Amino acid sequence: GAVVSQHPSRVICKSGTSVKIECRSLDFQATTMFWYRQFPKQSLMLMATSNEGSKATYEQGVEKDKFLINHASLTLSTLTVTSAHPEDSSFYICSARDGTSGKQKNIQYFGAGTRLSVL
Amino acid sequence: LAKTTQPISMDSYEGQEVNITCSHNNIATNDYITWYQQFPSQGPRFIIQGYKTKVTNEVASLFIPADRKSSTLSLPRVSLSDTAVYYCLVGDIDTGGFKTIFGAGTRLFVKA
Repeated sequence: GAVVSQHPSRVICKSGTSVKIECRSLDFQATTMFWYRQFPKQSLMLMATSNEGSKATYEQGVEKDKFLINHASLTLSTLTVTSAHPEDSSFYICSARDGTSGKQKNIQYFGAGTRLSVL
Repeated sequence: LAKTTQPISMDSYEGQEVNITCSHNNIATNDYITWYQQFPSQGPRFIIQGYKTKVTNEVASLFIPADRKSSTLSLPRVSLSDTAVYYCLVGDIDTGGFKTIFGAGTRLFVKA
């Protein structure tokens, strides 16, 4: 159980285009989803937290107009990188938690990640 | 948010027991301690979670002293496939503003 599916696993795009990444919880209701980015040899950096049906909360320094997050249902959240530039190239990872699960409430289940390369 | 401190890296040999200690001096009363494992180019994977004393599952044990200011992840008889980065996190979803902040993690390298 507790599987999070993230697509695509890899995307290459031209500078100026927008890219959408999907994150789905397959066997539980994800009351909260998180989006991270990770540069090589570095730790995960939290970008934003989203609760189903409400606006995402962005971390300081993360542009909300550039990284659009939608959490429209209890099983799906999307991250759209708008007008991508080479500096946006990174490894993006989503995670989800089931806030209704009692003891498991503090556990995050992660997607496999999306490698974004902007040319 | 409770900040965590872990060793940057550790080396071990196959078959040995590995203990990775995490310091979290500012842990709050309701915080849980959770450990994740990450392989290159993959998302982190949940290993174990505890609140106090000792927790054991099929892959690891977690030791938490009474003051809860530190915790130790114990991996029995490691293999080459346990080479990964291990992260310790503390927090509680019911505390306002819960979010997961990853520290630098511990890079474990298992040698043959």
